[in-house]
Amino acid sequence: QKEVEQNSGPLSVPEGAIASLNCTYSDRVSQSFFWYRQYSGKSPELIMSIYSNGDKEDGRFTAQLNKASQYVSLLIRDSQPSDSATYLCAVRRGGNNRKLIWGLGTSLAVNP
Amino acid sequence: GAGVSQSPSNKVTEKGKDVELRCDPISGHTALYWYRQSLGQGLEFLIYFQGNSAPDKSGLPSDRFSAERTGGSVSTLTIQRTQQEDSAVYLCASSPGGGRDTQYFGPGTRLTVL
Repeated sequence: QKEVEQNSGPLSVPEGAIASLNCTYSDRVSQSFFWYRQYSGKSPELIMSIYSNGDKEDGRFTAQLNKASQYVSLLIRDSQPSDSATYLCAVRRGGNNRKLIWGLGTSLAVNP
Repeated sequence: GAGVSQSPSNKVTEKGKDVELRCDPISGHTALYWYRQSLGQGLEFLIYFQGNSAPDKSGLPSDRFSAERTGGSVSTLTIQRTQQEDSAVYLCASSPGGGRDTQYFGPGTRLTVL
């Protein structure tokens, strides 16, 4: 089992729809959770971080964390073609080592 | 303020040559990370520096790879005797430390080994 798992996709949604991206992790004591977006040929850029159970909203993006079920999700409302990218989930495990464990990413295509 | 910078942006080298890749982190960031990303693949962790602590080298794929961080700031990733399978984009990221783990990435160095 990978430490951080994502569906590779591609996930295809029509413009204006809600895109739902999911990520599961194996270390029950993981503490910090991140969603990054990576356009083709570019480096990852942070979308959101979440640390506590529940929802966190920022504009069209909502991150949802459920530590009991060990998953974190990202919802993108009113999806736009410019949201087409690969979305990376990253998790910081418990303990002193602060490096992040990365999923392989989900490819999202938003169709006009 | 200035973000993470990396140089060169592109490097083409011949098999067997040594290469050095440079990373300038965001000023004041105590943590620095190197990753490798092959075409269409995920991020592969290479090495992590945190302040004055011993680096976490657990991701370095072979002893041909090494990295150092001078003065707690600039870092250099060195690949000796390059092989064709070393061709990839090498990404550097920094984070503030002190409990804040968000990583900020540089633009990457695209390495091509002929």
